[in-house]
Amino acid sequence: QSALTQPRSVSGSPGQSVTISCTGTTSDVGGYDWVSWYQQHPGKAPKLLIYDVYKRPSGVPARFSGSKSDSTASLTISGLQADDEANYYCSSYAGVHVFVVFGGGTELTVL
Amino acid sequence: QVQLQESGPGLVKPSETLSLSCSVSGVSMSTTGHFWAWIRQPPGGGLEWIASIQSNGRISHNPSFAGRTTMSVDTSKSVFSLRLATVTAADTAKYFCARDLYGFTEFDSWGSGTLVTVSS
Repeated sequence: QSALTQPRSVSGSPGQSVTISCTGTTSDVGGYDWVSWYQQHPGKAPKLLIYDVYKRPSGVPARFSGSKSDSTASLTISGLQADDEANYYCSSYAGVHVFVVFGGGTELTVL
Repeated sequence: QVQLQESGPGLVKPSETLSLSCSVSGVSMSTTGHFWAWIRQPPGGGLEWIASIQSNGRISHNPSFAGRTTMSVDTSKSVFSLRLATVTAADTAKYFCARDLYGFTEFDSWGSGTLVTVSS
């Protein structure tokens, strides 16, 4: 069982928007503004999409955005494209004893 | 551009020690403030952080591994390593090395991963 809870799957049609949630506790997501999101295509390494809740690394399209409310972080993908079909993982800093926790992952299907 | 590449045996026997190395190129591992991490993913499963090491050798471990993990770093050779002791079938996974940019908050560069199977 993962420390952060994500929906197992979400889906959307091309051009639509989808939001993936990531629920933790006050010991991780709710306690720090250090939430990251990763995209992983099958057989590939994860790719950093979002860090520090909402910041995007260079080269990540603005279609990907992050936010947080209390102990739940969210990743929103707007203008869905076929290549967005992948697994998405959230992670959070979790303090000086646990350090890092990941979510169980969400499979995005583009219909 | 930072590049990482894992290497090590693909098959380890139960109760033995898993040893992996990660070669880093495109950046100096001595850069202050950067960490280097191991993360694993069991077949069909999610990601699990194992441990991170700083260039000065200071290591932070995932407590769920109950002291089975050891890391080392050789900045002159641009290599860092993982040793996981007393493995079981539950340790079968793809193991990724990654740059842990500022310590536990974002893994911004990843190796392609190496599959390690624990079986007799």
